[in-house]
Amino acid sequence: SAVISQKPSRDICQRGTSLTIQCQVDSQVTMMFWYRQQPGQSLTLIATANQGSEATYESGFVIDKFPISRPNLTFSTLTVSNMSPEDSSIYLCSAGTRDSYYGYTFGSGTRLTVV
Amino acid sequence: GIQVEQSPPDLILQEGANSTLRCNFSDSVNNLQWFHQNPWGQLINLFYIPSGTKQNGRLSATTVATERYSLLYISSSQTTDSGVYFCAVVMIYNQGGKLIFGQGTELSVKP
Repeated sequence: SAVISQKPSRDICQRGTSLTIQCQVDSQVTMMFWYRQQPGQSLTLIATANQGSEATYESGFVIDKFPISRPNLTFSTLTVSNMSPEDSSIYLCSAGTRDSYYGYTFGSGTRLTVV
Repeated sequence: GIQVEQSPPDLILQEGANSTLRCNFSDSVNNLQWFHQNPWGQLINLFYIPSGTKQNGRLSATTVATERYSLLYISSSQTTDSGVYFCAVVMIYNQGGKLIFGQGTELSVKP
């Protein structure tokens, strides 16, 4: 299965600033996704990162707040913009191929605290 | 949209005990995946199981797709099994699929 490197692993940011999270996969994958996990909660899909085109956002998430790039089949970034304390969460990158025997793999996550 | 429900929400075990975690889903799905999130937040893939039974050491999983549920069995539990167990269903669309997660079962194994 694919191995995902995600960075930074954690950060403490001031409100009103932005943070960009990077996700690097060790092999070409069809699908890359970004999830948010708020404290004590399950994972919620933010968007699907599409290679060479605009990301597909889930209900409740907008591009201005969470711009996503995916310049190639192994790399994606998520930016959390104009942060507020409510954005404090774990952000996780996921990747996989639809027919993969192993399913979808996750990066180790970025633990974000906004103060 | 599809609903994914896990039970129980919390479980406390003595080391060495066995347990069964359940995942119900409200609609037909293409596949199902079980994860373990350890206390450091890392999400570890346990099983990718559309139907039937798979085993990996002390863990096994069974999915009965026609009845829309999956079970995760943990035998001879160890303290390192503690954490949150998530099931997620795979919804296929276009050229790929996305995961919809249940709310998780928080397991605590006491020595």
